[in-house]
Amino acid sequence: DTGVSQNPRHKITKRGQNVTFRCDPISEHNRLYWYRQTLGQGPEFLTYFQNEAQLEKSRLLSDRFSAERPKGSFSTLEIQRTEQGDSAMYLCASSFSSEETQYFGPGTRLLVL
Amino acid sequence: QKEVEQNSGPLSVPEGAIASLNCTYSDRGSQSFFWYRQYSGKSPELIMFIYSNGDKEDGRFTAQLNKASQYVSLLIRDSQPSDSATYLCAVRGGYQKVTFGTGTKLQVIP
Repeated sequence: DTGVSQNPRHKITKRGQNVTFRCDPISEHNRLYWYRQTLGQGPEFLTYFQNEAQLEKSRLLSDRFSAERPKGSFSTLEIQRTEQGDSAMYLCASSFSSEETQYFGPGTRLLVL
Repeated sequence: QKEVEQNSGPLSVPEGAIASLNCTYSDRGSQSFFWYRQYSGKSPELIMFIYSNGDKEDGRFTAQLNKASQYVSLLIRDSQPSDSATYLCAVRGGYQKVTFGTGTKLQVIP
């Protein structure tokens, strides 16, 4: 297992379209996190799963955003009716529940035209 | 007031010098404190974390925590050009949400 993987790595879409990103965590990591990062800013917490349960969700996550982790393994993040302000790098991270260290994936860079 | 504040830099230091990076946080209930390094176009990678007041050393890196002052710092000894990156301070509160600062850009001049 080489680490957290994310697909696609890049996505260009038109405003109003829906997009879905996938994250495959390090195997056996039961915690999974989604972050959003814009240029010049640090990662911004979006949501967190422990196994298949979504335990925390940022107030910043509008109704257009939804995340799932149906079997407690991979996760998807969907953005409906994309807006130009959604353009960012979307980062996924995973960890063991007994450890603090979060391992980040390479990210999915989204550009909304 | 931002939850986690860092000077955006850039902080320029000569090769071989000590780089000192600082961070303040607003939530007194914060429990864990992290330093991440992020190269341009890459994802963050953890350098070290600290829970307790005082110093924690790992190789050329030393993290310092002062909860009374709500202050975290990272010292990098014998700075190398390969240390040039953005350093992100992050703080975890009582749950699993981790809040990041905006990062300090470090430039190590050969």
